[in-house]
This record gives sequence, structure tokens and C-alpha cells, in this order.
Amino acid sequence: GAGVSQSPSNKVTEKGKDVELRCDPISGHTALYWYRQRLGQGLEFLIYFQGNSAPDKSGLPSDRFSAERTGESVSTLTIQRTQQEDSAVYLCASSFFRSGMGNEQFFGPGTRLTVL
Amino acid sequence: RKEVEQDPGPFNVPEGATVAFNCTYSNSASQSFFWYRQDCRKEPKLLMSVYSSGNEDGRFTAQLNRASQYISLLIRDSKLSDSATYLCVVNNFNKFYFGSGTKLNVKP
Repeated sequence: GAGVSQSPSNKVTEKGKDVELRCDPISGHTALYWYRQRLGQGLEFLIYFQGNSAPDKSGLPSDRFSAERTGESVSTLTIQRTQQEDSAVYLCASSFFRSGMGNEQFFGPGTRLTVL
Repeated sequence: RKEVEQDPGPFNVPEGATVAFNCTYSNSASQSFFWYRQDCRKEPKLLMSVYSSGNEDGRFTAQLNRASQYISLLIRDSKLSDSATYLCVVNNFNKFYFGSGTKLNVKP
């Protein structure tokens, strides 16, 4: 079956521009997560959605970052007025929303963002 | 204190060797546990879930020690293709906490 997809795969932008990153989760997965991974670093949690709601936005680095999800499906991560330190791979993952076992996350291939 | 801690390595081992990684977690209420593998410039991929009773998948064995709050991964008969970074992941109320990863280099 189809996995998690993300677009674009690569994005080069100029400092100060806005960017939108898209994630299409696995069909039926109610939970969706965004992470950031800088080169050579670990995964940094940004935000997660349960359905279309975001119970935890604590990882968003600043108010330039926002995300939404519609139809319990596609999600968009928006970064406004991009800065060079925003350069990273942005990873999306989805899972079933359940406690205990069976809630493994599956990742998309990521969007590599470069801010010049 | 970090939620999940791992030795970053690298672990450099010859083909055929057995290698073990440990990971500790801080929240005793954590509910589920996983090992992921991440190849250079690729997304993390699920290697295996970790069950309370321990579980094995081919050359890979995972164990959970709730009393001591650690998770282990044992790789037997290492292959060149096992070279990657191994991420320990802990889930608590649908928030996932990732370790920074342990790098494994398997050499001919």
C-alpha cells in the first residue's frame, strides 16, 4: 500500500520568503507528526495532530512556524520569513492513534529545505 | 535530562560480529518502545517494536527492562548492510521521543 508521501522533496528558498511543506499520511492513520532534522543531528519534534487537532504544539521553534491538517488527512507545515537556521530536513510521520502497541510511526522521505 | 539517551558510538565491528546497543529512558510511564534504523540522508525506518517479553526477528533481538528503564538491541552475525544509525524511540501518550542514535559501522 501507499506509504507517507511528502512534497516537495527539495526546496531552495531565499531568506525571508515563506515556504509550505506538504505531508500525505498513510490512509486511516489518525495521528500525524512533524519533525525537523538538521544535518548530523537527531530528530527534533515539532508538532503532532490527533485527527485535525494539534494537542501539542510545544516543539514549534517560533511563531514563524505553523501547521494545519484537514480532513484527517493531508497536513501542511508553513514557515514564514525563513531564516538560514531553518535549513534542515523536515520529516512527517503517521500512525494509528492508540496507546500501547500498534502505534508504530511510519515516515515519509522528508523535504530538504535550504535557505540561502 | 533527556527523555531518551543513547551512546552515539560509532561502533566499528567486523562482519560476522555480534554487537549490542543500549538505550535508557527517563519516564517510567512510557508505554511502547521501538528501534528504528536510519541510513545516511534517508528517513528513519521501523526496525522492530520492543515487547515486554523481549522479541526476536532473524538476527535482531530486542529486550525491554522496565525496572531499570532501558531497552537493548542485539545484532548477531553483522552484515555490511547493517551499517546505519540505530534510533531508540519511546512513546508516551502518543508523543514519541527519539534518542540521538547510535552509529554502527560494519567493516569487511
